[in-house]
Amino acid sequence: AQKITQTQPGMFVQEKEAVTLDCTYDTSDPSYGLFWYKQPSSGEMIFLIYQGSYDQQNATEGRYSLNFQKARKSANLVISASQLGDSAMYFCAMREGQSWGKLQFGAGTQVVVTP
Amino acid sequence: DGGITQSPKYLFRKEGQNVTLSCEQNLNHDAMYWYRQDPGQGLRLIYYSQIVNDFQKGDIAEGYSVSREKKESFPLTVTSAQKNPTAFYLCASSMGGRADTQYFGPGTRLTVL
Repeated sequence: AQKITQTQPGMFVQEKEAVTLDCTYDTSDPSYGLFWYKQPSSGEMIFLIYQGSYDQQNATEGRYSLNFQKARKSANLVISASQLGDSAMYFCAMREGQSWGKLQFGAGTQVVVTP
Repeated sequence: DGGITQSPKYLFRKEGQNVTLSCEQNLNHDAMYWYRQDPGQGLRLIYYSQIVNDFQKGDIAEGYSVSREKKESFPLTVTSAQKNPTAFYLCASSMGGRADTQYFGPGTRLTVL
């Protein structure tokens, strides 16, 4: 069964606008971590932000914030003030508590930022 | 500069040949991982290693082999038993801890002709 679901295959966003990328997850483990990565056309995966299942506050890193809704099993990424350099694939991933190091990835969302 | 290097960036091989992909890190991370990415898809875990001389199979280990003789190095061999080896291969490492964030290398694109 799919553990990470990203329902938006692609989206366009205008420069300087905010964009929300959806991610839902499925786990019965009370301890887990959620990650977002950016993959530009060069192929390298760039770590953006992390949210632990026991974290009380939503994670933020610069222009990136994670809208964590635990009861809904949702971990949406919000990019504020989009820049042209934000154009990339974005992947949501989860590590379940007992699966040390193993990340499970969603299929990704392609973001294109337009001037 | 600290980081993860993978070489080569592009690799071409004939069907039936084994090929070894290199992954080196100087981040002093204990754990290393290999993932495979097919077009339009997310990453799938092939093998991972938490410590030198120890490694575990991931979700798609069939047709692949690894070794971990040094902390810095985690080479992946794609054997002739792998039915569809053409893909993008990404190596990652992590240092453990609460988040245990994985950091990735630039990847190797393997094409089997």
